[in-house]
Amino acid sequence: QSVLTQPPSASGTPGQRVTISCSGSRSNIGTNTVNWFQQLPGTAPKLLIYINNQRPSGVPDRFSGSKSGTSASLAISGLQSEDEADYYCAAWDDSLNGFYVFGTGTKVTVL
Amino acid sequence: EVQLVESGGGWVQPGGSLRLSCAASGVTLSNYWMSWVRQAPGKGPEWVANMNQDGGKKYFLASVKGRFTISRDNTKNSLYLQMNNLSADDTAVYYCTRDVQGDYLYYMDVWGKGTRVTVSS
Repeated sequence: QSVLTQPPSASGTPGQRVTISCSGSRSNIGTNTVNWFQQLPGTAPKLLIYINNQRPSGVPDRFSGSKSGTSASLAISGLQSEDEADYYCAAWDDSLNGFYVFGTGTKVTVL
Repeated sequence: EVQLVESGGGWVQPGGSLRLSCAASGVTLSNYWMSWVRQAPGKGPEWVANMNQDGGKKYFLASVKGRFTISRDNTKNSLYLQMNNLSADDTAVYYCTRDVQGDYLYYMDVWGKGTRVTVSS
């Protein structure tokens, strides 16, 4: 069971800004950096944001990440139809013996 | 281009075993931490296990500890997941990932396409 909580869904019209929250705890987001993954239907997850706010090469700058305390957020500005996908936050968790945890996931729909 | 290709998935009865393999090209796996991540039908990704470059550090999801073993053969540029005593809860697509690890940071920057494991009688 995930210890990173996301809203199950978010939506917006093309061009709008959408924000997804990710709530964790001291042992994960509170201590370690946050990553975000995008998963298009039928494909493997793809790294979208790493170390809280860094974009891998090729990821459009309309995607941005931030972290504060034990929470993080992903913003998509200038929403496009191809952004319709599932989004997952993730982080290393130092509790127990250590493990990597993904968030519950947010389905973004472009209206 | 970096590519990870998983193999070894299939159908197995409860209590059975499978060994997954992940072959890499375009990258020297011995330089990286590696993970297995699974995704059950209709669910989100779930990290299963990882290991460091020389195999001296390994971590496991609590529910697979004692049943799954992760290993690597750096001479073959490959990663493996031995899965024993499988149950229906292990049914998922299993992905191999290349990871980046550092102080207070860990992430998967390259993913394979996955191999499907179905546990059913």
